[in-house]
Amino acid sequence: GDSVTQMEGPVTLSEEAFLTINCTYTATGYPSLFWYVQYPGEGLQLLLKATKADDKGSNKGFEATYRKETTSFHLEKGSVQVSDSAVYFCALFYSSASKIIFGSGTRLSIRP
Amino acid sequence: DTGVSQDPRHKITKRGQNVTFRCDPISEHNRLYWYRQTLGQGPEFLTYFQNEAQLEKSRLLSDRFSAERPKGSFSTLEIQRTEQGDSAMYLCASRTTSGSRSGELFFGEGSRLTVL
Repeated sequence: GDSVTQMEGPVTLSEEAFLTINCTYTATGYPSLFWYVQYPGEGLQLLLKATKADDKGSNKGFEATYRKETTSFHLEKGSVQVSDSAVYFCALFYSSASKIIFGSGTRLSIRP
Repeated sequence: DTGVSQDPRHKITKRGQNVTFRCDPISEHNRLYWYRQTLGQGPEFLTYFQNEAQLEKSRLLSDRFSAERPKGSFSTLEIQRTEQGDSAMYLCASRTTSGSRSGELFFGEGSRLTVL
């Protein structure tokens, strides 16, 4: 079945470091791909998305490119801030199936 | 857009008791979802509604669980005869099926259930 695999956390970085959180997926069709973020004490919120191969989603300095050939959607940011500390979830979505499948999440902690 | 709201935010109950959670979605959203999230895991799909119709239920949803969305607006999730394994965060989300944001789920802050 369809699934999403994320790198295990926690990931701890210093402020201004470069961030990569790996995400790979298994899918029978052509899903849309998302990154959701959950800040402490808050609900999940969409960070960015890509709807087809080679699309790049971006928001708040984060980027991810939909790579069909490697079935990946890695999240990157060039210079992280303490306020980026959160749990990040990679997810896939088929409009026909109408539900979103999430990875297990990666906890990110940024040291000042 | 007032967001998705859930109530209560936290419920502590004894094993065997029944609990009910309520979700108020974004008003113009026709689809409503329930997910369950346990510590260190991503949200797991439980069920979803298109307006008042329950269109899909996960195998995770045992007979002790029931969800309703009687008028196509708010929804309730009831768990009967709770077990310790039901302890989790129950998340509600909603979305529209039209427009550029049709694939985006908007989540509430969740209802945390602790079964003693």
